[in-house]
Amino acid sequence: QSAVTQPRSVSGSPGQSVTISCTRNNTDVGGYDFVSWYQQHPGKAPKLIVYDVTKRPSGVPVRFAGSKSGNTASLTISGLQADDESDYFCCSYTDRYSYVFGGGTKLTVL
Amino acid sequence: QVQLQESGPGLVKPSQTLSLICSVSGGSITTGGYYWSWIRQHPGKGLEWLGDFYFSDSTSYNPSLNPSLKSRITLSVDTSKNQFSLKLNSVTAADTAVYYCARVGGWYMFDHWGLGTLVTVSS
Repeated sequence: QSAVTQPRSVSGSPGQSVTISCTRNNTDVGGYDFVSWYQQHPGKAPKLIVYDVTKRPSGVPVRFAGSKSGNTASLTISGLQADDESDYFCCSYTDRYSYVFGGGTKLTVL
Repeated sequence: QVQLQESGPGLVKPSQTLSLICSVSGGSITTGGYYWSWIRQHPGKGLEWLGDFYFSDSTSYNPSLNPSLKSRITLSVDTSKNQFSLKLNSVTAADTAVYYCARVGGWYMFDHWGLGTLVTVSS
């Protein structure tokens, strides 16, 4: 099973916005509103930052916003901060009662 | 606050069995509405969902795993200890990864994770 497609890297300056895309097909990303996003700092466990495409767990800043159009989900991080520099993974529920993750995107804050 | 912690050997010899335990605190694995998963991450790579279980139901394995991997995985649970476990037999170097246990929230997302444990397969 191929991973969900994410850009290998994105970058932005402090205060700017960046968007990370997550693309697969209509049997997972496009077929369900069960896309979640995770932030993973080096050597740390992933942290849930968005679920159900657009919802944020308690404590996650509104700067992290999820969306979806067709078979592509996106995570937009606005007002970039130095601590946002991290790896980001998307995950989707699939029609095979399973989960598929993206390959991960490294965000660099310039 | 639910916390998960993986434990097990950090080094396993090829062809042996990798055994990991996930200990859950701050909540019961028999609480309805939650599934409990194992996920692994090869060094520098993405995440791979291995499978999960629901305490009163059956265990599910990722149907998209390579058949040679799927045939080697066993998930089990010990409700008396509030733990669940992963066994992976006949390991090879390709099984070297960080293994995470995680809770699946009610909306198909992984809302709590263990810190992960690096398992290296090497002689």
